[in-house]
Amino acid sequence: DTAVSQTPKYLVTQMGNDKSIKCEQNLGHDTMYWYKQDSKKFLKIMFSYNNKELIINETVPNRFSPKSPDKAHLNLHINSLELGDSAVYFCASRGLTRTRNEQFFGPGTRLTVL
Amino acid sequence: DAKTTQPNSMESNEEEPVHLPCNHSTISGTDYIHWYRQLPSQGPEYVIHGLTSNVNNRMASLAIAEDRKSSTLILHRATLRDAAVYYCILRRNAGNMLTFGGGTRLMVKP
Repeated sequence: DTAVSQTPKYLVTQMGNDKSIKCEQNLGHDTMYWYKQDSKKFLKIMFSYNNKELIINETVPNRFSPKSPDKAHLNLHINSLELGDSAVYFCASRGLTRTRNEQFFGPGTRLTVL
Repeated sequence: DAKTTQPNSMESNEEEPVHLPCNHSTISGTDYIHWYRQLPSQGPEYVIHGLTSNVNNRMASLAIAEDRKSSTLILHRATLRDAAVYYCILRRNAGNMLTFGGGTRLMVKP
């Protein structure tokens, strides 16, 4: 069973559209994250979220918003997509038990904005 | 989080040990040293972490300098599947988000 899954794997869309990327984890973890990896391969944290607190990286535009319907899901909504949003987006999760020092990453969603 | 410095790339032969260095001269006393790796077209994967003492797990060993200003990730016998970008990251506490640097691209030759 996949621990952290993301859908879709690939997303191609036009500038100005609104899109969502879904993330689900079946590890029972309390904290989830979104990262962006740009064309130069640098991974940057976007959000950290648990059921009590949302921490936003101040460099993230407010067109990006995380939505968590329940503890196992953290979806990423992006409004008014721009060319510069093209990147690979990774979801991750972390628990509070034996593996509390590890973040488990999903396989990524490659977003292409035309 | 304090900054880390790693070589851009390294090469290794299959079946040989690999030592991946990381400098973190501005590390603070409460910073943990974490290593993640990213295989091609995959998400990052946790490798190992430590605070002061050397650490071993099934994937690798982590050697931490006595002054903690540098550390070395050791892969005891490199395989072709170990070809990846290896990231050395400092993290202040378990709740903090990870700040990735450029990492070291490890190439393994058969």
